Amino acid sequence: QVQVVESGGGVVQPGRSLRLSCAASGFTFNIYGMHWVRQAPGKGLEWVAVTSYDGSTAYYADSLKGRFTISRDNSRNTIYLQMNSLRAEDTAVYYCAKGSAYYRVIDYWGQGTLVTVSS
Amino acid sequence: DIQMTQFPSSLSASVGDRVTITCQASQDISNHLTWFQQRPGQAPTLLVYDASTLYKGDPSRFSASGSGTVFTLTISSLQPEDIATYYCQQFDDDHLTFGGGTKVQIK
Repeated sequence: QVQVVESGGGVVQPGRSLRLSCAASGFTFNIYGMHWVRQAPGKGLEWVAVTSYDGSTAYYADSLKGRFTISRDNSRNTIYLQMNSLRAEDTAVYYCAKGSAYYRVIDYWGQGTLVTVSS
Repeated sequence: DIQMTQFPSSLSASVGDRVTITCQASQDISNHLTWFQQRPGQAPTLLVYDASTLYKGDPSRFSASGSGTVFTLTISSLQPEDIATYYCQQFDDDHLTFGGGTKVQIK
């Protein structure tokens, strides 16, 4: 069955960097786009970024202002989210999500990893 | 970015009631809309894609419709397991955006 497992969350100071990972299994990883979506405590969902099936194309939420980078390693069935210059407002659960046959449609979500930005 | 507005932001209904949630897009998005269900403490799950197609395994009491800028999600007979927050999300362009969510509770 499809499984995506996020890791790398934790407490980080403002201005520092953090890299999240998402390990996928149960499907042919290298033919699907993959997304990151976040949810601040008690708030709604906010789409963060998407990477194409081969990593050649990526799109980001405008609000991130170039601080985040999504990437993937198809040899490891893993995607990453490099987060730089972290701010308190980046505190959230970060979900890894699988795109469907049409990459913009998310059809499966991981359980998320919590990132807390605090001094 | 395309803005998605959901209403109501929360509702309370009795078991067996018909419940309708509305989602409005700031521009024409054709049928490029999904609905997700997020039960308390859980990750979201896909409920509907292409505005009206129920995802595999989802109960038939859920239905959805709409095209262009106005979309609806209906639960024909509310059940206790439907307690959740429901989100619409557009995928008309590469910058996906979500509605603010509708929290459904049992009266």
